[in-house]
Amino acid sequence: KAGVTQTPRYLIKTRGQQVTLSCSPISGHRSVSWYQQTPGQGLQFLFEYFSETQRNKGNFPGRFSGRQFSNSRSEMNVSTLELGDSALYLCASSLDGTAGNTIYFGEGSWLTVV
Amino acid sequence: QKEVEQNSGPLSVPEGAIASLNCTYSDRGSQSFFWYRQYSGKSPELIMFIYSNGDKEDGRFTAQLNKASQYVSLLIRDSQPSDSATYLCAVNLRSTGNQFYFGTGTSLTVIP
Repeated sequence: KAGVTQTPRYLIKTRGQQVTLSCSPISGHRSVSWYQQTPGQGLQFLFEYFSETQRNKGNFPGRFSGRQFSNSRSEMNVSTLELGDSALYLCASSLDGTAGNTIYFGEGSWLTVV
Repeated sequence: QKEVEQNSGPLSVPEGAIASLNCTYSDRGSQSFFWYRQYSGKSPELIMFIYSNGDKEDGRFTAQLNKASQYVSLLIRDSQPSDSATYLCAVNLRSTGNQFYFGTGTSLTVIP
């Protein structure tokens, strides 16, 4: 069974640009959540999507957005990039997000903003 | 106060010893509790989860949960050099959906 797939794996962007990251969950998983990992702040929750709807949201500015498609694939977008957005962005999928569902991470997208 | 707190370490144990990792959480409504392992440059991988008070064993790993004390721990028996990694404690605050809060991780080194 294929795991969570994220693309691209590595990317470099310039301040002010925007970026779109893609995530394909494990087959049969309907919940997709996104996390940002930085050395200073650790792993921080961005948002969760289920059935094409944002179900939970973390404390990130509106520059961070996402969506989910009918096949459960998800994308996240960061607009007007700042240097502080340089991070590892992790997508995680779970069956349906009910209490106790475990989340499984993809390998992540390493974003560098210069 | 952070939702999940861990001792950042580093924690060093000799090969074959027991490594003990601890975690406290602030939200009494937390529903489920997880331990992830993360090797340098890699994404977190699930070790185990626990929902109910008490102990849960899986091979060399034992997770312990005490909801009254808001405390979760992970014991690694017969530690191996391959266990050297950062261990992340996580809690899911939600009864519906996923909103995981992670600790900053404890760095473990197992010395051969």
